[in-house]
Amino acid sequence: EVQLVESGGGLVQPGGSLRLSCAASGFTFSSYAMHWVRQAPGKGLEYVSAISSNGGSTYYANSVKGRFTISRDNSKNTLYLQMGSLRAEDMAVYYCARDDEYSYGFFDYWGQGTLVTVSS
Amino acid sequence: DIQMTQSPSSLSASVGDRVTITCRASQGISNSLAWYQQKPGKAPKLLLYAASRLESGVPSRFSGSGSGTDYTLTISSLQPEDFATYYCQQYYSTPPTFGQGTKVEIK
Repeated sequence: EVQLVESGGGLVQPGGSLRLSCAASGFTFSSYAMHWVRQAPGKGLEYVSAISSNGGSTYYANSVKGRFTISRDNSKNTLYLQMGSLRAEDMAVYYCARDDEYSYGFFDYWGQGTLVTVSS
Repeated sequence: DIQMTQSPSSLSASVGDRVTITCRASQGISNSLAWYQQKPGKAPKLLLYAASRLESGVPSRFSGSGSGTDYTLTISSLQPEDFATYYCQQYYSTPPTFGQGTKVEIK
C-alpha cells in the first residue's frame, strides 16, 4: 500500500525557517518524481515544487522561488522541503504528492498534510 | 501559467441527483486534465485523469468529458459520500495549475 506521511509542520515566526519531510513507503520511491502542493486555510490548492526521481531536476513556483528548496534522499525514501524567509502567505497545509505512474504530471497519491503556521 | 476556471463555485444537490461541474482552461490543454475530490480535513483524492479515464477504485458514477479548453465532471447519481469539494488540474504545461474548486453541498 502506498503511503506518504508528512511531518515537520508547526508554528514559525515571519522570517523563520522550517523543514518539512515526507516519508514514503509501499512503492519504489526512487522511480517517481515527487511534488509539494499547499492549501491555505479555507482556500484552494496551490502547486509549490517538484523534484525528479533522481533529484537532478527541480521546479519552484514563483511564489516560493529563492526561499524554498526541495530535495530527496532515495536511500531513506524521504522527500524534503526546506522553507526559509517564511511569510504570512506561506501559512498552509503542505501536502506531498506522488507523480503519476505515467509521468504525465498529475498526482495519484497524496499524504495527509502538515500544517505550517506563520505568526508572531 | 494556464488559468483554470471552475463553475459553479458551489452547488446544492440531493442524493440521487445528476451533478455536472465545468472546468475551463485559458488555453487548449489536449485532455491533460485531472479531477480530484477533497473532503474536509483530508487530502485530495484522484478521481479521473486524461479528462475521462477513471482512476482504479473510483465508482463508475463519476465520469469526465471534454476537449480543447472545456471539460466536465459528471456524477450520475449523487451519493451521501460524494458531498465534498472537487478540483480540476491541468498538466499540459508546467506549472500544473488547479481550478478554484467546486463545493458540492447537501440540499
